[in-house]
Amino acid sequence: AQSVTQLGSHVSVSEGALVLLRCNYSSSVPPYLFWYVQYPNQGLQLLLKYTSAATLVKGINGFEAEFKKSETSFHLTKPSAHMSDAAEYFCAVSDRGFQKLVFGTGTRLLVSP
Amino acid sequence: EPEVTQTPSHQVTQMGQEVILRCVPISNHLYFYWYRQILGQKVEFLVSFYNNEISEKSEIFDDQFSVERPDGSNFTLKIRSTKLEDSAMYFCASSDREGGTGELFFGEGSRLTVL
Repeated sequence: AQSVTQLGSHVSVSEGALVLLRCNYSSSVPPYLFWYVQYPNQGLQLLLKYTSAATLVKGINGFEAEFKKSETSFHLTKPSAHMSDAAEYFCAVSDRGFQKLVFGTGTRLLVSP
Repeated sequence: EPEVTQTPSHQVTQMGQEVILRCVPISNHLYFYWYRQILGQKVEFLVSFYNNEISEKSEIFDDQFSVERPDGSNFTLKIRSTKLEDSAMYFCASSDREGGTGELFFGEGSRLTVL
C-alpha cells in the first residue's frame, strides 16, 4: 500500500524567506508524486508532478520539488515566499498516474510580512 | 478557464437522511472522481467513474454510497442514510484522459455536516 507523510501541519515563514514543505512517501512500485495547493474557498490545484522523468520538477508560481529515491522524499521548495503563497499544500502519491491518488494530511503555509 | 463546480458548498443534515452532492465536471472530460477529507485527516479516494459505470472504488465506498451521471453534465454522489462519520469535505474531480497523463481538476468541495 502507498502512503504519504507530510511533516508539520503548519509552517510559518516570513515574506521573502525560503519555503520548505516536507513530504516522504512509501511505495512498493515506482511512484508518481504530486503537490497540490488549496487556496481558501477554492479547489485543489496541481502545482507540479513527478512521473519518472527529471528528478527536479518545476511547477507553477516558482515552486519546485526534488524526487530523492534514496530518501523516499519529494520536498516542495520555493526560494522566496510571497504573501499570496499562504494556502494548504497537499502531497500525493499514486502507482497509476492520476488515478486513485493517496494524499497526505496537508501542510498549512503561513506567510508573515 | 474551465472549472469543476460543486453544489452545495455546505450542507447540514440530520443523521439518517439522504444527501446528494452535485458536481459539474469540465465539459469535455470523461473520467470522474470523488474524494473526501474528514476534518484534520487525509484526502481519501472514494470512487472513479467512466463510461457510466464505476471503474474503481475504495473500501469507504460501501452500499450507502452511489454515484451516477444523470445527464450529460452532472455527476452526483448520493449518501443513502448519513452517519455522523460521513461529515467531511467532499471533492469532485474530472479528467480528460485516463491514468498517468490525465491531470485531475478538482472542484472547491462540498462540506457535509451530519448532526
